[in-house]
Amino acid sequence: SQTIHQWPATLVQPVGSPLSLECTVEGTSNPNLYWYRQAAGRGLQLLFYSVGIGQISSEVPQNLSASRPQDRQFILSSKKLLLSDSGFYLCAWSRMNTEAFFGQGTRLTVV
Amino acid sequence: AQSVAQPEDQVNVAEGNPLTVKCTYSVSGNPYLFWYVQYPNRGLQFLLKYITGDNLVKGSYGFEAEFNKSQTSFHLKKPSALVSDSALYFCAVRDLGTNAGKSTFGDGTTLTVKP
Repeated sequence: SQTIHQWPATLVQPVGSPLSLECTVEGTSNPNLYWYRQAAGRGLQLLFYSVGIGQISSEVPQNLSASRPQDRQFILSSKKLLLSDSGFYLCAWSRMNTEAFFGQGTRLTVV
Repeated sequence: AQSVAQPEDQVNVAEGNPLTVKCTYSVSGNPYLFWYVQYPNRGLQFLLKYITGDNLVKGSYGFEAEFNKSQTSFHLKKPSALVSDSALYFCAVRDLGTNAGKSTFGDGTTLTVKP
């Protein structure tokens, strides 16, 4: 069966520090991968998606970047965090004709 | 472009009563519709989906949803609510013609079931 791992679960980082969140998928190949941000327990904002290794599409301009160095690995990064980067970050995977499967999320607090 | 509206931020029901969480959508092509549930500080969990076929879709934990093409709606329902159903519910839509299978999510509806 397929599983998705996302870590860490919680993270407190100072303003201006770098960020690296990692997501890996097991049990499937060539998945579509997504990074979402959820503010204040409400709606999801799609940040990045990827349909293959090295292929990243950004949905909104921001202080973050994403990379997909391997088929089942998706990384969210920042060189210098802002206070506004605080939020709940969710990684997900899907195929064209399936629902999305979400990781457990990372609660990021920038202080 | 695709969009989803969940008109109610909050739905309150008594345990044992039926519940409905509303969702309307807009897509240029044929819709692929989903409901997800989220518990505090957790990822979203899939409940059910509609792509084609019977307009009444049955999913996990006794939930069902009815696809109504003329009203562009996909309301989530359950005949008898449980306290454990209290959570945040998201409706999502995907245009079957889009690349990358990108889904658009509603803003969520908080369901509270009181004993």
